[in-house]
Amino acid sequence: SQQGEEDPQALSIQEGENATMNCSYKTSINNLQWYRQNSGRGLVHLILIRSNEREKHSGRLRVTLDTSKKSSSLLITASRAADTASYFCATDSFSGGYNKLIFGAGTRLAVHP
Amino acid sequence: KAGVTQTPRYLIKTRGQQVTLSCSPISGHRSVSWYQQTPGQGLQFLFEYFSETQRNKGNFPGRFSGRQFSNSRSEMNVSTLELGDSALYLCASSFEGGANEQYFGPGTRLTVT
Repeated sequence: SQQGEEDPQALSIQEGENATMNCSYKTSINNLQWYRQNSGRGLVHLILIRSNEREKHSGRLRVTLDTSKKSSSLLITASRAADTASYFCATDSFSGGYNKLIFGAGTRLAVHP
Repeated sequence: KAGVTQTPRYLIKTRGQQVTLSCSPISGHRSVSWYQQTPGQGLQFLFEYFSETQRNKGNFPGRFSGRQFSNSRSEMNVSTLELGDSALYLCASSFEGGANEQYFGPGTRLTVT
């Protein structure tokens, strides 16, 4: 089952433009993470935002979290061709006495030179 | 530090066979989680091992099993392979595990014919 759902499913932009991806989730969370995956490879952790935080920055990345709406957004500013990848949000899910990560379906971002 | 390594990177098997995949976590990490990624189902959590004990499990049949050794290296085994088991299998390591930041390996691409 998927906790987080990203939209859009796919996004195509030109280099230099900003890219915004959204993630909605269903149940209460302790934290939300964003990961990037280049085609057919492993995921790379981008940023973690805790439930008591509203915004976090890392380089060209800005993540917001609205727990009242159960949603998060990832903004990539001044995009580059190298940002072409799939982006996934992941939320924590408690079961069996331990937390685990549940990933959304992802947004495929294509940045054209 | 060396990253997470997975072997083999590619594998082709026939229906009914069994397969064993290996994952070496980042040095010092005690948790290894396994995920299955397919175009249809996305990234799905298989199980997590922490200090040689399975402490969380996803909704997969008993054909999927795993173990962790005292050096934190982990293996997962799939018996009686089915066509639907064709996927990218990813392992991820972290110090505390659970829903904390995870470091992913490059994955093993399994094709079942």
